[in-house]
Amino acid sequence: DIVMTQTPLSSPVTLGQPASISCRSSQSLVYSDGNTYLNWLQQRPGQPPRLLIYKISNRFSGVPDRFSGSGAGTDFTLKISRVEAEDVGVYYCMQSTQFPHTFGQGTKLEIK
Amino acid sequence: QITLKESGPTLVKATQPLTLTCTFSGFSLTTGGVGVAWFRQPPGKALEWLALIYWHDDKRYTPSLKSRLTITKDTSKNQVVLTMSNMDPVDTATFYCVYLKNGIFDPWGQGILVTVSS
Repeated sequence: DIVMTQTPLSSPVTLGQPASISCRSSQSLVYSDGNTYLNWLQQRPGQPPRLLIYKISNRFSGVPDRFSGSGAGTDFTLKISRVEAEDVGVYYCMQSTQFPHTFGQGTKLEIK
Repeated sequence: QITLKESGPTLVKATQPLTLTCTFSGFSLTTGGVGVAWFRQPPGKALEWLALIYWHDDKRYTPSLKSRLTITKDTSKNQVVLTMSNMDPVDTATFYCVYLKNGIFDPWGQGILVTVSS
């Protein structure tokens, strides 16, 4: 199985300031079709997860442009340019390149 | 608009099987490229992918639970059913079904919390 490792596990951020979460995979996530199936999901308290970013850097429909994804191979980053109160929750990276699909441990974003 | 909703028992006794149904609308599981996946999340813990069924009936399971999981679809009812055998208290979790197309997992159902009693 591909192991996904997120850092940090907790991120206290001041409103309006940027935030960054890293995700590292134990092997390359490049698929045979040339795509890299690295996703970022947000889970607000008491809510189901919601897709933010797919294939490293593609924002899903309705996701604010303050969210951006980058990276390649085994190292990936989710950035929030200016944190808002509604961004509080847990963020997960998930690889869907290989079965079984696997998740990072989650990063809890909270407001200072 | 695509929606999915999980249903089934919220309390199961240890050693008993669990059967969950995902009822969806807004798409057909006969359309090429489409699938439905199941995930679970123990209270306070991370997400875990369980199983996936594609429009052409290809099925995938997480290896650690493969012997206990069965996923099926009923396209006439717009439903996907997940069965997990021999439930244990450590299987207590919220279970989610999710729409998949072209590698994109969204939307997610609201989830159903299943508690396994000893």
